[in-house]
Amino acid sequence: DQQVKQNSPSLSVQEGRISILNCDYTNSMFDYFLWYKKYPAEGPTFLISISSIKDKNEDGRFTVFLNKSAKHLSLHIVPSQPGDSAVYFCAASSFRYGNKLVFGAGTILRVKS
Amino acid sequence: DGGITQSPKYLFRKEGQNVTLSCEQNLNHDAMYWYRQDPGQGLRLIYYSQIVNDFQKGDIAEGYSVSREKKESFPLTVTSAQKNPTAFYLCASTLRGKGMNTEAFFGQGTRLTVV
Repeated sequence: DQQVKQNSPSLSVQEGRISILNCDYTNSMFDYFLWYKKYPAEGPTFLISISSIKDKNEDGRFTVFLNKSAKHLSLHIVPSQPGDSAVYFCAASSFRYGNKLVFGAGTILRVKS
Repeated sequence: DGGITQSPKYLFRKEGQNVTLSCEQNLNHDAMYWYRQDPGQGLRLIYYSQIVNDFQKGDIAEGYSVSREKKESFPLTVTSAQKNPTAFYLCASTLRGKGMNTEAFFGQGTRLTVV
């Protein structure tokens, strides 16, 4: 039972345009959501997070939106750059579960120059 | 510099052998985790430990064992019972506190290949 789903395996975007990566979750106990970026043969690096008490969090070119009623979150990257090309993982956690992260399958983002 | 160190980066194992993957952190984090990544799949949780001398099975614990004798260290043993051990293994750590959410920090991973 996948509690966190990223239904798009890949996304291709032109440099300078917006990249939108989507994520859905099923467990309403999740109260913290994170996005990680991963290059091949490396560990994931933390990108941005959002608490369930918010609906938006922004950090430079990266914005995460949370729609709790739809159990949906998205990551917007504006403007997209070739260096953003990587696998992006959505993750969810709850401090009730000791902050154990549950990951989606990932979306491969390719930014074309 | 604080961080998580996994070793070795690449590991080859013969069928029927046990191997141990090392994970050390100097972030003073309470909780540590082992994940496995396979092509086209997300990170799946193998084992986690929220405190020294205590650990719990994750979603795919069969064929693996762990220990947590020190706060800084959380080694993972891939036993001969693990039917498909070839994968990329990632160790992570977080602070653990009631009412506090926090992100996990990851090591650089170990690529295990059965030959």
